[in-house]
Amino acid sequence: GAVVSQHPSRVICKSGTSVKIECRSLDFQATTMFWYRQFPKQSLMLMATSNEGSKATYEQGVEKDKFLINHASLTLSTLTVTSAHPEDSSFYICSAIGTDNTIQPQHFGDGTRLSIL
Amino acid sequence: DAKTTQPNSMESNEEEPVHLPCNHSTISGTDYIHWYRQLPSQGPEYVIHGLTSNVNNRMASLAIAEDRKSSTLILHRATLRDAAVYYCILGSGNTGKLIFGQGTTLQVKP
Repeated sequence: GAVVSQHPSRVICKSGTSVKIECRSLDFQATTMFWYRQFPKQSLMLMATSNEGSKATYEQGVEKDKFLINHASLTLSTLTVTSAHPEDSSFYICSAIGTDNTIQPQHFGDGTRLSIL
Repeated sequence: DAKTTQPNSMESNEEEPVHLPCNHSTISGTDYIHWYRQLPSQGPEYVIHGLTSNVNNRMASLAIAEDRKSSTLILHRATLRDAAVYYCILGSGNTGKLIFGQGTTLQVKP
């Protein structure tokens, strides 16, 4: 089946550091990728929708200058948490869909656990 | 986005069927019903989706009420590996976005 890979799986860094998370579709071309954040014991919260070659669409309340999203190719999207602080510590998850048919299932990565000290 | 309502938690015995309910009374005509599940410290996994007719796949069955205001995910024979949070989500075909609710935490007892 379709595979989405996230890297790194875990990051621990100091406050003020910028952190980049990669999301790759390994065996299909992803026209659309999604980024989610999940705090402990809570559900996933959609942060943004990323379409290849265009600017990401952010959900209400998500700071686009804080969470930079780039989707430069059909197999790679990146999320950069800029000047991260302890409150940005969370589980970040990406997903991808393969064609313009948005009804098909989303394929999720295994997430990146970000811890800011 | 139309919302769904699910019980917070359910319990099941291993090797017995499990029926996970979902209410979506404000569903629109173009909304698909999606089910995903999430194991601890992993990303969600697709389970099944449907529009109007009941659906079956190797993982589960989806029974959709005739008025589409509710649906039930059926795991025919629960295993310990089925213990997870199950999310029922209404998806719009326009954007592909999925808005996750709180889901149902399924515990499977041996």
